Amino acid sequence: QKEVEQDPGPLSVPEGAIVSLNCTYSNSAFQYFMWYRQYSRKGPELLMYTYSSGNKEDGRFTAQVDKSSKYISLFIRDSQPSDSATYLCAMSSAGSARQLTFGSGTQLTVLP
Amino acid sequence: EPEVTQTPSHQVTQMGQEVILRCVPISNHLYFYWYRQILGQKVEFLVSFYNNEISEKSEIFDDQFSVERPDGSNFTLKIRSTKLEDSAMYFCASNTGTGNTEAFFGQGTRLTVV
Repeated sequence: QKEVEQDPGPLSVPEGAIVSLNCTYSNSAFQYFMWYRQYSRKGPELLMYTYSSGNKEDGRFTAQVDKSSKYISLFIRDSQPSDSATYLCAMSSAGSARQLTFGSGTQLTVLP
Repeated sequence: EPEVTQTPSHQVTQMGQEVILRCVPISNHLYFYWYRQILGQKVEFLVSFYNNEISEKSEIFDDQFSVERPDGSNFTLKIRSTKLEDSAMYFCASNTGTGNTEAFFGQGTRLTVV
């Protein structure tokens, strides 16, 4: 079983749609959870950071962490064509907080 | 807004040659990292660096690789005797290291080994 699994997509939605992106993981030691956005041939850009379980909202973005299910989600409301990118989940454990383990990324296209 | 900067953006090298990839982390950050992403694959952790020494490294980071902070601003990754399979995007990242792990990434150096 892969440590972090992420549906690679591609996912295509119309402008204004609500987008749900998900990752599952197997390592129960993970406590720090991040979502990054990556445009083609660019570096990952940090979108959301959460610690342990719960929700965090920032503008149109909401991150959810359910540690009991080992499942994290990123919701994008009112999606825009500029949201088209690859979204990467990443996580790390308390014992190795500096080392991020990434998902494979979900490619999202928001159609105007 | 402060950012992590990497140079060069693209490096082509012949197999067997040594390359040095350079990074300038965000100025008040204390932890520095190198990650790589082979085309079409996951971003993979290589090494973390704190207080002028390696704090963690992955299995990928073997004797072929080394890191250095030669001065107060630069952070370098050296790859000795490059192989074809070293072709990838190499990302530098940094964070403050004070109670959180939000890592900020540079734009990457695309290394092509021919």
